[in-house]
Amino acid sequence: AQKVTQAQTEISVVEKEDVTLDCVYETRDTTYYLFWYKQPPSGELVFLIRRNSFDEQNEISGRYSWNFQKSTSSFNFTITASQVVDSAVYFCALSENFGNEKLTFGTGTRLTIIP
Amino acid sequence: EPEVTQTPSHQVTQMGQEVILRCVPISNHLYFYWYRQILGQKVEFLVSFYNNEISEKSEIFDDQFSVERPDGSNFTLKIRSTKLEDSAMYFCASSVGQIINTGELFFGEGSRLTVL
Repeated sequence: AQKVTQAQTEISVVEKEDVTLDCVYETRDTTYYLFWYKQPPSGELVFLIRRNSFDEQNEISGRYSWNFQKSTSSFNFTITASQVVDSAVYFCALSENFGNEKLTFGTGTRLTIIP
Repeated sequence: EPEVTQTPSHQVTQMGQEVILRCVPISNHLYFYWYRQILGQKVEFLVSFYNNEISEKSEIFDDQFSVERPDGSNFTLKIRSTKLEDSAMYFCASSVGQIINTGELFFGEGSRLTVL
């Protein structure tokens, strides 16, 4: 069965600090997909990134970067030079291979950026 | 930019009443989903729908729940006889293809259901 663990329930950092959100996953499939979603205070879910299990290259998009490590089953998300607008709940999610249409979400990490 | 729209944004109902939550997915999308989020908890998969039938459903999606795409644009979630524990935010989502191929689910802004 697939499972996603986000051990950090809440994190607060001062603006401009870097922050890393942890995500650990469990799956029996060799092919799977990992996602990060942002849920701002307004409540919608905003897609940030998708990574498949065969691509362990780290990705950078502006101030956001993702570190995928299959050896430790982790897919961590780093925000560099955080801004107040980054304050949100961030969810990591997992989808297994063909025929499985669902995303399994972690419990989320509430990130607060202090001005 | 195309978006998934949901109505109502908030509905309050009495226990035992039927509720229908409506969603208009993005027009060229073929896969549709409902997820729910109990306040302060994680987002949970309910059901996926493709080609006018359910392709997968979770244990939460019992006989009290049903989905329908009545007219080619709307995608509805019906809860036949609401219970207190059905109080949650319900998210509709759509994707142009399967998650593994297209990667992105587009979520609506959610419908908050409060059961009294």
